[in-house]
Amino acid sequence: AAGVIQSPRHLIKEKRETATLKCYPIPRHDTVYWYQQGPGQDPQFLISFYEKMQSDKGSIPDRFSAQQFSDYHSELNMSSLELGDSALYFCASSSTGTGLNTEAFFGQGTRLTVV
Amino acid sequence: AQTVTQSQPEMSVQEAETVTLSCTYDTSESNYYLFWYKQPPSRQMILVIRQEAYKQQNATENRFSVNFQKAAKSFSLKISDSQLGDTAMYFCAFEGSNYKLTFGKGTLLTVNP
Repeated sequence: AAGVIQSPRHLIKEKRETATLKCYPIPRHDTVYWYQQGPGQDPQFLISFYEKMQSDKGSIPDRFSAQQFSDYHSELNMSSLELGDSALYFCASSSTGTGLNTEAFFGQGTRLTVV
Repeated sequence: AQTVTQSQPEMSVQEAETVTLSCTYDTSESNYYLFWYKQPPSRQMILVIRQEAYKQQNATENRFSVNFQKAAKSFSLKISDSQLGDTAMYFCAFEGSNYKLTFGKGTLLTVNP
């Protein structure tokens, strides 16, 4: 079965650079979520999209932005990178709009290292 | 805002034995979902089990079962016949009406041979 695909799997950037993380949800899932998991931490919700519209926002820095495209894939753009942005970034998708709420399925994550 | 508390940062169990991981949560919502996710060293987030709050019956998935006490806001995970492959970080998570997940701090479970 198709799963959530994230790319790249690993990314190394220097401080003040920009990074773009991509997420391809499970087909027919209408909701995408982004989570950030720092070293030794639990995942923290960043932002979510339902049917290409932002549906909720968590503790996402102003330097970060995200969007969901017409094909439902999502991109997380991170600018002016800081050392503290080094983390594992998860994308998850689910189906929430049909009245049948499926659990969130997670991608394998993108490990971002800022040096 | 919802909170999820896992009071056991680390636990260990012998292979083939049973272990219970604790989780409590706080919410004012009446309809919600609770989950246990497993995160092995690969860092993949794997769903272990899911419980709908409106269901009184405790969820089970093979060797994994939960003890859901809605009034006490408690949601513990029992792993029976523990296997070496169960070694992982286990996160308890809450999903409310906004569909986002709130995670606990996690419990690192080590299964010893």
